[in-house]
Amino acid sequence: DAGVIQSPRHEVTEMGQEVTLRCKPISGHNSLFWYRQTMMRGLELLIYFNNNVPIDDSGMPEDRFSAKMPNASFSTLKIQPSEPRDSAVYFCASSLEGADIQYFGAGTRLSVL
Amino acid sequence: GNSVTQMEGPVTLSEEAFLTINCTYTATGYPSLFWYVQYPGEGLQLLLKATKADDKGSNKGFEATYRKETTSFHLEKGSVQVSDSAVYFCARVSGGTSYGKLTFGQGTILTVHP
Repeated sequence: DAGVIQSPRHEVTEMGQEVTLRCKPISGHNSLFWYRQTMMRGLELLIYFNNNVPIDDSGMPEDRFSAKMPNASFSTLKIQPSEPRDSAVYFCASSLEGADIQYFGAGTRLSVL
Repeated sequence: GNSVTQMEGPVTLSEEAFLTINCTYTATGYPSLFWYVQYPGEGLQLLLKATKADDKGSNKGFEATYRKETTSFHLEKGSVQVSDSAVYFCARVSGGTSYGKLTFGQGTILTVHP
């Protein structure tokens, strides 16, 4: 099994630009989670999906952030416009519905200049 | 609410030293409890878990026991290695119909010197 795949691994962009992060969950998993990790705030849950439906987006910082899951094998997290305070490592994780073990991708390190 | 509190780090040890990282959780029900580990440049991965009171999770020489009376799940290892240097996260299931949502502690950085 290839595990959770995230792309890109690193992204450097300028303030005001649109950023799209991508995630492919483990095949057969139907819950997907997006996290953000910073030194100041630790690991924060941004949003999670079950069967492609957003269940809880209360962790999304503001309207500049949006996430979609058009099918069971793909999700995106978009930031538009990006700001320097969005610089962080963004993780995607997936799990089987009803199961409690989450499997994490390697993360995308985002730097907004 | 559902929360997890870990001991503040960072923790620095010499190789073969004994390790304890404290973790306590809020006692709403009897949630499954976890320790995840994050090696440099990688995502989190499950280290061990326990699903009910008095359960002991173990893996790679690490152990943690689910203590209902003290609402704790402390991580221990008898003899750490340099390769154990990582960030360790305690976590609990958030409960209810939360589709496997986890609440994580703030993480503890462990550095092991030769």
